[in-house]
Amino acid sequence: QSALTQPASVSGSPGQSITISCTGTSSDVGGSNYVSWYQQHPGKAPKLIIYDVSNRPSGVSNRFSGSKSGNTASLTISGLQAEDEADYYCSSYPPSRPLFGGGTKLCVL
Amino acid sequence: EVQLVQSGPEVKKPGESLKISCKASGYSFTTYWIAWVRQVPGKGLEWMGIIYPGDSDTRYSPSFQGQVTISADKSISTAYLQWSSLKASDTAMYYCARRGTGMRRFDSWGQGTLVTVSS
Repeated sequence: QSALTQPASVSGSPGQSITISCTGTSSDVGGSNYVSWYQQHPGKAPKLIIYDVSNRPSGVSNRFSGSKSGNTASLTISGLQAEDEADYYCSSYPPSRPLFGGGTKLCVL
Repeated sequence: EVQLVQSGPEVKKPGESLKISCKASGYSFTTYWIAWVRQVPGKGLEWMGIIYPGDSDTRYSPSFQGQVTISADKSISTAYLQWSSLKASDTAMYYCARRGTGMRRFDSWGQGTLVTVSS
């Protein structure tokens, strides 16, 4: 069982928007602005797409956005594209050690 | 360009030892942390531990403390993950990842090393 809870899968059609949730506790997600999101395509290494709740690294599409409310962080992907089909992992990094969610498989129908 | 290049796939028997590597380039190796992350096939990411090559400060996840050893050789900008006695349950993909000082995210990842432990 992962420390952070994500839905196992979400799906959407090209052009639509989807949101992936990541639920933790007040000791991790709720108490920290160090929430990040990683995208992992099959057979590839994870790639950082959101850090510090809502910041995008250089080169990451602005279709990806992050937010947080209480103990739940969210990743929203707008204007879905076929290339967005991948696994997505959230992570919270309290002072002790980083925690990952169990991952969410995004299917673009 | 920041690059983390990991050593190739390994097939080992239970009880054997192993050391895999992660060679960094394109940045100052001694001023960034290097973490190791495990991914069992079909499963999620697990943080194993982290090292600061500048002074070899090393931290382990309680789940992996005593099971693996993380080290680094700053003369060749390389971090290592090693086992003294492998188990079948160590079969997984292992990634190294960079973390900036004062930052709490992994901004660059190696390509992964697949370790298979089977009799």
